[in-house]
Amino acid sequence: DGGITQSPKYLFRKEGQNVTLSCEQNLNHDAMYWYRQDPGQGLRLIYYSQIVNDFQKGDIAEGYSVSREKKESFPLTVTSAQKNPTAFYLCASSMYQETQYFGPGTRLLVL
Amino acid sequence: GDSVTQMEGPVTLSEEAFLTINCTYTATGYPSLFWYVQYPGEGLQLLLKATKADDKGSNKGFEATYRKETTSFHLEKGSVQVSDSAVYFCALTPLGGFQKLVFGTGTRLLVSP
Repeated sequence: DGGITQSPKYLFRKEGQNVTLSCEQNLNHDAMYWYRQDPGQGLRLIYYSQIVNDFQKGDIAEGYSVSREKKESFPLTVTSAQKNPTAFYLCASSMYQETQYFGPGTRLLVL
Repeated sequence: GDSVTQMEGPVTLSEEAFLTINCTYTATGYPSLFWYVQYPGEGLQLLLKATKADDKGSNKGFEATYRKETTSFHLEKGSVQVSDSAVYFCALTPLGGFQKLVFGTGTRLLVSP
Protein backbone atom coordinates (compact mmCIF):
# COMPACT_ATOMS: atom_id res chain seq x y z
CA ASP A 1 0.00 0.00 0.00
CA GLY A 2 1.22 3.47 -0.84
CA GLY A 3 1.26 6.04 1.89
CA ILE A 4 3.08 8.24 4.36
CA THR A 5 4.53 6.86 7.55
CA GLN A 6 5.69 8.83 10.56
CA SER A 7 7.60 7.53 13.52
CA PRO A 8 7.53 7.37 16.40
CA LYS A 9 3.89 7.93 17.31
CA TYR A 10 4.94 9.48 20.64
CA LEU A 11 8.28 11.11 21.40
CA PHE A 12 9.61 12.49 24.65
CA ARG A 13 12.25 15.20 24.80
CA LYS A 14 14.40 16.20 27.73
CA GLU A 15 15.60 19.75 28.28
CA GLY A 16 18.47 20.66 25.98
CA GLN A 17 18.04 17.61 23.81
CA ASN A 18 17.63 17.46 20.03
CA VAL A 19 15.11 14.94 18.72
CA THR A 20 14.39 13.78 15.18
CA LEU A 21 10.99 12.88 13.75
CA SER A 22 10.87 10.52 10.81
CA CYS A 23 8.69 10.91 7.70
CA GLU A 24 8.78 8.46 4.79
CA GLN A 25 6.57 8.28 1.71
CA ASN A 26 6.32 5.70 -1.07
CA LEU A 27 3.95 7.71 -3.25
CA ASN A 28 6.77 9.00 -5.48
CA HIS A 29 5.75 12.54 -4.54
CA ASP A 30 8.17 15.35 -5.30
CA ALA A 31 7.22 17.71 -2.48
CA MET A 32 7.19 17.10 1.27
CA TYR A 33 6.11 19.30 4.14
CA TRP A 34 6.18 19.54 7.93
CA TYR A 35 3.36 21.15 9.91
CA ARG A 36 2.88 21.81 13.59
CA GLN A 37 -0.54 21.58 15.25
CA ASP A 38 -1.31 23.10 18.64
CA PRO A 39 -4.57 22.49 20.53
CA GLY A 40 -7.47 24.48 19.12
CA GLN A 41 -5.40 25.84 16.28
CA GLY A 42 -4.94 25.14 12.63
CA LEU A 43 -1.76 23.71 11.19
CA ARG A 44 1.27 25.93 10.67
CA LEU A 45 3.99 25.22 8.12
CA ILE A 46 7.49 24.61 9.48
CA TYR A 47 9.53 23.58 6.43
CA TYR A 48 8.88 22.31 2.94
CA SER A 49 10.91 20.70 0.18
CA GLN A 50 10.04 20.59 -3.50
CA ILE A 51 13.01 18.52 -4.68
CA VAL A 52 15.85 16.48 -3.22
CA ASN A 53 18.64 18.49 -1.57
CA ASP A 54 16.51 21.62 -1.45
CA PHE A 55 14.17 22.93 1.25
CA GLN A 56 12.60 26.20 2.32
CA LYS A 57 11.53 27.73 5.62
CA GLY A 58 7.85 27.98 6.35
CA ASP A 59 6.12 30.31 8.77
CA ILE A 60 7.58 28.92 12.02
CA ALA A 61 11.01 27.46 11.15
CA GLU A 62 12.92 28.81 14.16
CA GLY A 63 14.22 26.00 16.37
CA TYR A 64 13.75 23.33 13.69
CA SER A 65 15.95 21.83 10.99
CA VAL A 66 15.36 19.41 8.10
CA SER A 67 17.19 17.47 5.40
CA ARG A 68 16.09 15.97 2.10
CA GLU A 69 18.77 13.54 0.96
CA LYS A 70 16.31 11.11 -0.58
CA LYS A 71 13.05 11.72 -2.42
CA GLU A 72 11.10 9.48 -0.06
CA SER A 73 12.42 10.84 3.24
CA PHE A 74 12.13 14.21 4.99
CA PRO A 75 13.20 14.04 8.67
CA LEU A 76 12.55 16.94 11.03
CA THR A 77 14.88 17.75 13.93
CA VAL A 78 13.49 19.70 16.86
CA THR A 79 16.50 21.42 18.38
CA SER A 80 17.08 22.68 21.91
CA ALA A 81 16.51 26.19 20.54
CA GLN A 82 12.80 25.40 20.17
CA LYS A 83 11.55 26.53 23.57
CA ASN A 84 7.99 25.29 23.25
CA PRO A 85 8.17 22.03 21.30
CA THR A 86 5.14 20.26 22.75
CA ALA A 87 2.77 19.77 19.82
CA PHE A 88 1.43 17.33 17.25
CA TYR A 89 3.68 17.19 14.17
CA LEU A 90 2.28 16.24 10.79
CA CYS A 91 4.17 15.38 7.64
CA ALA A 92 2.59 15.68 4.20
CA SER A 93 3.57 15.07 0.60
CA SER A 94 2.28 15.94 -2.85
CA MET A 95 3.08 16.02 -6.51
CA TYR A 96 3.86 19.49 -7.81
CA GLN A 97 0.73 21.68 -7.62
CA GLU A 98 -1.36 18.73 -6.49
CA THR A 99 -3.26 17.86 -3.32
CA GLN A 100 -1.29 17.27 -0.12
CA TYR A 101 -1.71 13.97 1.71
CA PHE A 102 -0.87 13.63 5.39
CA GLY A 103 0.77 11.04 7.59
CA PRO A 104 -0.62 9.88 10.96
CA GLY A 105 1.44 12.36 13.01
CA THR A 106 3.93 12.32 15.88
CA ARG A 107 3.08 13.74 19.28
CA LEU A 108 6.08 15.36 20.97
CA LEU A 109 6.07 15.83 24.72
CA VAL A 110 8.66 17.48 26.95
CA LEU A 111 9.79 15.71 30.12
CA GLY B 1 -1.95 37.63 3.29
CA ASP B 2 -4.16 34.65 2.56
CA SER B 3 -6.39 33.48 5.39
CA VAL B 4 -9.26 31.12 6.19
CA THR B 5 -11.99 31.72 8.76
CA GLN B 6 -14.15 28.90 10.11
CA MET B 7 -17.06 28.92 12.49
CA GLU B 8 -16.07 28.12 16.05
CA GLY B 9 -17.10 24.85 17.56
CA PRO B 10 -18.01 22.57 18.93
CA VAL B 11 -20.97 21.90 16.73
CA THR B 12 -23.23 19.45 18.53
CA LEU B 13 -25.88 17.55 16.56
CA SER B 14 -28.09 14.53 16.92
CA GLU B 15 -27.72 11.66 14.48
CA GLU B 16 -29.46 12.28 11.13
CA ALA B 17 -29.44 16.07 11.58
CA PHE B 18 -28.34 18.43 8.81
CA LEU B 19 -24.82 19.80 9.06
CA THR B 20 -23.37 23.11 7.92
CA ILE B 21 -19.88 24.30 8.83
CA ASN B 22 -19.14 27.77 7.51
CA CYS B 23 -15.84 28.66 5.87
CA THR B 24 -14.82 31.95 4.26
CA TYR B 25 -11.47 32.90 2.82
CA THR B 26 -9.31 35.85 1.86
CA ALA B 27 -6.86 35.31 -0.98
CA THR B 28 -5.44 36.98 -4.05
CA GLY B 29 -6.34 35.37 -7.32
CA TYR B 30 -8.19 32.09 -7.46
CA PRO B 31 -7.13 29.64 -4.78
CA SER B 32 -7.95 25.95 -4.60
CA LEU B 33 -10.15 25.09 -1.62
CA PHE B 34 -10.14 22.00 0.57
CA TRP B 35 -11.87 20.34 3.48
CA TYR B 36 -9.78 17.98 5.59
CA VAL B 37 -11.06 15.82 8.46
CA GLN B 38 -9.11 14.74 11.54
CA TYR B 39 -10.29 11.89 13.74
CA PRO B 40 -9.00 11.75 17.34
CA GLY B 41 -5.27 11.09 17.54
CA GLU B 42 -4.86 10.79 13.79
CA GLY B 43 -3.50 12.79 10.88
CA LEU B 44 -5.58 14.73 8.40
CA GLN B 45 -7.54 13.06 5.63
CA LEU B 46 -8.65 14.89 2.51
CA LEU B 47 -12.45 15.01 2.49
CA LEU B 48 -13.12 17.03 -0.67
CA LYS B 49 -11.76 19.82 -2.80
CA ALA B 50 -12.68 22.37 -5.48
CA THR B 51 -10.28 24.13 -7.77
CA LYS B 52 -12.37 26.80 -9.51
CA ALA B 53 -15.43 28.94 -8.97
CA ASP B 54 -18.81 27.13 -8.89
CA ASP B 55 -17.11 23.73 -8.59
CA LYS B 56 -18.78 21.39 -6.11
CA GLY B 57 -16.61 18.95 -4.21
CA SER B 58 -18.31 15.90 -2.73
CA ASN B 59 -17.35 12.75 -0.84
CA LYS B 60 -19.03 10.39 1.66
CA GLY B 61 -22.23 12.47 1.63
CA PHE B 62 -20.39 15.74 2.33
CA GLU B 63 -20.56 18.60 -0.17
CA ALA B 64 -19.08 22.08 -0.54
CA THR B 65 -19.44 24.61 -3.36
CA TYR B 66 -16.74 27.13 -4.29
CA ARG B 67 -18.51 30.53 -4.16
CA LYS B 68 -16.23 33.24 -5.49
CA GLU B 69 -18.80 36.03 -5.08
CA THR B 70 -19.07 35.37 -1.33
CA THR B 71 -15.53 33.92 -0.93
CA SER B 72 -17.02 30.92 0.82
CA PHE B 73 -16.72 27.13 0.83
CA HIS B 74 -19.28 25.90 3.37
CA LEU B 75 -19.35 22.20 4.24
CA GLU B 76 -22.75 20.45 4.29
CA LYS B 77 -24.12 16.98 4.91
CA GLY B 78 -27.76 16.04 4.83
CA SER B 79 -27.73 13.42 7.58
CA VAL B 80 -24.81 13.08 9.97
CA GLN B 81 -23.77 9.90 11.73
CA VAL B 82 -22.01 9.33 15.03
CA SER B 83 -18.96 8.24 13.04
CA ASP B 84 -18.74 11.75 11.53
CA SER B 85 -17.60 13.12 14.91
CA ALA B 86 -14.21 14.69 14.20
CA VAL B 87 -12.47 18.02 13.62
CA TYR B 88 -12.98 19.56 10.20
CA PHE B 89 -10.44 21.95 8.66
CA CYS B 90 -11.04 24.29 5.77
CA ALA B 91 -7.91 25.21 3.82
CA LEU B 92 -6.72 26.93 0.67
CA THR B 93 -3.73 26.99 -1.63
CA PRO B 94 -2.91 29.83 -3.98
CA LEU B 95 -3.21 29.24 -7.70
CA GLY B 96 -0.03 27.96 -9.30
CA GLY B 97 3.43 27.49 -7.92
CA PHE B 98 4.22 25.91 -4.61
CA GLN B 99 1.16 24.57 -2.88
CA LYS B 100 1.34 26.04 0.59
CA LEU B 101 -1.77 25.11 2.54
CA VAL B 102 -3.34 27.83 4.67
CA PHE B 103 -5.65 26.35 7.30
CA GLY B 104 -8.56 27.59 9.33
CA THR B 105 -8.54 26.81 13.05
CA GLY B 106 -10.79 23.78 12.70
CA THR B 107 -14.35 23.04 13.81
CA ARG B 108 -15.10 20.14 16.12
CA LEU B 109 -18.27 18.18 15.31
CA LEU B 110 -19.91 16.04 17.96
CA VAL B 111 -22.76 13.77 16.88
CA SER B 112 -24.84 11.99 19.51
CA PRO B 113 -27.03 8.91 18.94
